[in-house]
This record gives sequence, C-alpha cells and structure tokens, in this order.
Amino acid sequence: AQSVTQPDIHITVSEGASLELRCNYSYGATPYLFWYVQSPGQGLQLLLKYFSGDTLVQGIKGFEAEFKRSQSSFNLRKPSVHWSDAAEYFCAVGARGSQGNLIFGKGTKLSVKP
Amino acid sequence: EAEVAQSPRYKITEKSQAVAFWCDPISGHATLYWYRQILGQGPELLVQFQDESVVDDSQLPKDRFSAERLKGVDSTLKIQPAELGDSAMYLCASTAYRAEQETQYFGPGTRLLVL
Repeated sequence: AQSVTQPDIHITVSEGASLELRCNYSYGATPYLFWYVQSPGQGLQLLLKYFSGDTLVQGIKGFEAEFKRSQSSFNLRKPSVHWSDAAEYFCAVGARGSQGNLIFGKGTKLSVKP
Repeated sequence: EAEVAQSPRYKITEKSQAVAFWCDPISGHATLYWYRQILGQGPELLVQFQDESVVDDSQLPKDRFSAERLKGVDSTLKIQPAELGDSAMYLCASTAYRAEQETQYFGPGTRLLVL
C-alpha cells in the first residue's frame, strides 16, 4: 500500500533563510508526486508536481523539489523564505492507474521568524 | 480565475443532527472529490465522482455519510446523524479529467464542529 511520511511536524526558520521540507514515500513503482500548501482556514494550493523526466521540478512561489528514487524522497526546497510562506505543507503521492486518488502525508507546519 | 466554491464555510451542530455541505467545482470539471481533513492530519479521500457517477466511495462511512452529484455539476455531502468524531474540515476538489496527472483544485473547505 502507498504511504507518505513527512518526518517534521513543525519547522521554524528565519526570514531569508533556506528551507527544506522532507517527504518520503512508499510505493512499488515510480509514483506521481505532489506538494501542496495550505494557509490557515483555506484549501490546498498546488506548488509543484512530478510525473517523469527531470528529477528537479520547479514550482510556484520560488519552490523546487527533487525526486530521488534511491531514497524514495521528494523534498521541497526554497533558497530564501519569506514571511508569507508560513503555512502547512503537504506531500502527496498518486499511484499510476489510481485514477486520481491521492495519499497525503500528515503535513509540516512552517513558521517564519522575522 | 475559476475557483471551487464551497458552503457553508463553518458549521456548528450538535451530535445526532443532520448536516449538509455543498460544492460547486470549476466549470467544465468532470471529476469531483470530497476529502475529510482531521486537525493535524492530511486530507483523506471520502468519495470521487466522474460526472454524476460515484467511481470510488470505498472510504465513505456509508452508514451515516451520503454524497450526490445529480446533474454532474455541483455536489452535496451529507452526514446523518453527526457524531463528535466527524469534527473536521471537509474539502472539495475538482479536475478536468479523471487521471492521476491532473492537478486537483481545492475549495476553501467547510469547517465542521460537532458538539
């Protein structure tokens, strides 16, 4: 069965510092991978997604993620965090042939210090 | 920019009462999803529609939950009777096609509190 692990429940970084949010997945083949962001009381917004090809994926708001098959990871990065990036971040995996059913991790809450 | 609409945004109810949530997907989107997100957790799929048909409701607690999308456009999710453990955010999402590559567009959600 598919699963997604986000090891960090809460991360605090200073504004302007770099960010890396970890995501590990369990799946027998190469899955479809997504990162979503959720601001308080809001729905989820897609940051980026990986299906195939270049393992470094660029997304919106200056985010990028790298797919590492050997580590079953899809970590999200940003070189310089802005206060507006404070939110909860969810990694999700979709199995090929699943017709759109996504399995989400439990999320990582990001706080940004001024 | 087209958005997924949901109402109400907040709902407080007492246990054993009936509640209903409404979702209007992005115009033209054939696939609609209802998710439940318990506080501190990621969303979990409850039901998936393709047009007016349910294509996956394996995680829907059918003894108390029901969902419909009669004309293949907007959808209603109902809980009867509500239980304390149903307190959560209920999210609706839609995609143009039913495929794992498709980006799911989420609405703002309905926050349910059962007292």
